[in-house]
Amino acid sequence: DIVMTQSPESLAVSLGERVTINCKSSQSVFSSSNNNNYLTWYQQKPGQPPKLLIYWASTRESGVPDRFSGSGSGTDFTLTISGLQAEDVAVYFCQQYYGTPYTFGQGTKLEIK
Amino acid sequence: QVQLQQSGLGVVKPSQTLSLTCAISGDSVSSDSASWNWIRQSPSRGLEWLGRTYYRSKWYNNYSIHMKSRITINPDTSKNHFSLQLNSVTPEDTAIYYCTREAVRGWSNFWGPGSLVTVSS
Repeated sequence: DIVMTQSPESLAVSLGERVTINCKSSQSVFSSSNNNNYLTWYQQKPGQPPKLLIYWASTRESGVPDRFSGSGSGTDFTLTISGLQAEDVAVYFCQQYYGTPYTFGQGTKLEIK
Repeated sequence: QVQLQQSGLGVVKPSQTLSLTCAISGDSVSSDSASWNWIRQSPSRGLEWLGRTYYRSKWYNNYSIHMKSRITINPDTSKNHFSLQLNSVTPEDTAIYYCTREAVRGWSNFWGPGSLVTVSS
């Protein structure tokens, strides 16, 4: 299995500040056949299922605010929130879909400072 | 807009079979551009992909090797739904189970509301 490791496990950030969440895979999830990284990010709020934010490591899902962005390649990826809003309080997960079984990071809990 | 509605028992006894169904609206289980997944979430194991079914001229299934031979995911075209069966459950199978629609390749863009299944005698 490809192991996904997120850091930090939790963080508290002031409203309006920038948030950076990291995700590292145990092997590369980049495919040279299509030049894509098989990495997605989800947001999960309490009592709700995860919500898709970003796929192909950096493509925002329709309707996702542009303060959310994804970057990285190979084994190291970052989710950035540029200007934290109160509604962004949630747990964030990365997931690789390079191969089955698809695997997820353990999650990063984001709170307001 | 795709919607997924889950149903099934919330409590299962150890060694018995967990059964859940996911009803699809706004899409077809036979779609050749989607796959239909089961994912579960527990405090101890986090988010765990269990398997999927999809149709590409014929039906395919992929299962997590960690489920060994305990899992079956079946489509039902007459009811436009798909189901999960997990045999020989133990308390470690206690989790929230989600059905999802996987778009194109690998990411789940629609999720069911989740079903809490508790394995307990």
